[in-house]
Amino acid sequence: KQEVTQIPAALSVPEGENLVLNCSFTDSAIYNLQWFRQDPGKGLTSLLLIQSSQREQTSGRLNASLDKSSGRSTLYIAASQPGDSATYLCAVRLSDRGSTLGRLYFGRGTQLTVWP
Amino acid sequence: EPEVTQTPSHQVTQMGQEVILRCVPISNHLYFYWYRQILGQKVEFLVSFYNNEISEKSEIFDDQFSVERPDGSNFTLKIRSTKLEDSAMYFCASIARRTNYGYTFGSGTRLTVV
Repeated sequence: KQEVTQIPAALSVPEGENLVLNCSFTDSAIYNLQWFRQDPGKGLTSLLLIQSSQREQTSGRLNASLDKSSGRSTLYIAASQPGDSATYLCAVRLSDRGSTLGRLYFGRGTQLTVWP
Repeated sequence: EPEVTQTPSHQVTQMGQEVILRCVPISNHLYFYWYRQILGQKVEFLVSFYNNEISEKSEIFDDQFSVERPDGSNFTLKIRSTKLEDSAMYFCASIARRTNYGYTFGSGTRLTVV
């Protein structure tokens, strides 16, 4: 069974700092990995999707890397802003089903607070 | 940007009552999912649905749960006899080849069983 762990559980930083959020997973046979943002009481907004053959993806101030062999992914947020305050979730899909239908396994998330 | 739409956003129900949670996946998406998140817990997989049948379900998805795509656009989750522990946020999601099979989630239905 796939276990996904995210560190730290919570992070509080002043505006402008560069941040690193960590995600680790136990089974390296993944199909892809996706980072989501969740605002309190809201849905999941996809931030970045990394296929198993890729090393990193970038979108604006966000950069996600993937090291499949070591079971790790990192989400890097540059020049953080108060609007970045949210919970960031990492989720992986295994490749063992040989299809695109596999479930996502989620971490508990990192709760980020960026203060002005 | 296409969206997955869920209704209602919040539902309160008496224990033992049946509830139906509704979702409209993104047009032309073919794979559909339900997940749930109990307050303070991880997001958990419930069921996946493709070609009008369940393709995978978790141990949570027991006989009290069912899914249906009644009219080619809506995708519903039914809980036959709700329990207090069914209180959670329920998320619908869909995926498609053209988005590299990345998930798009709806905004969720908060179910409160009293």
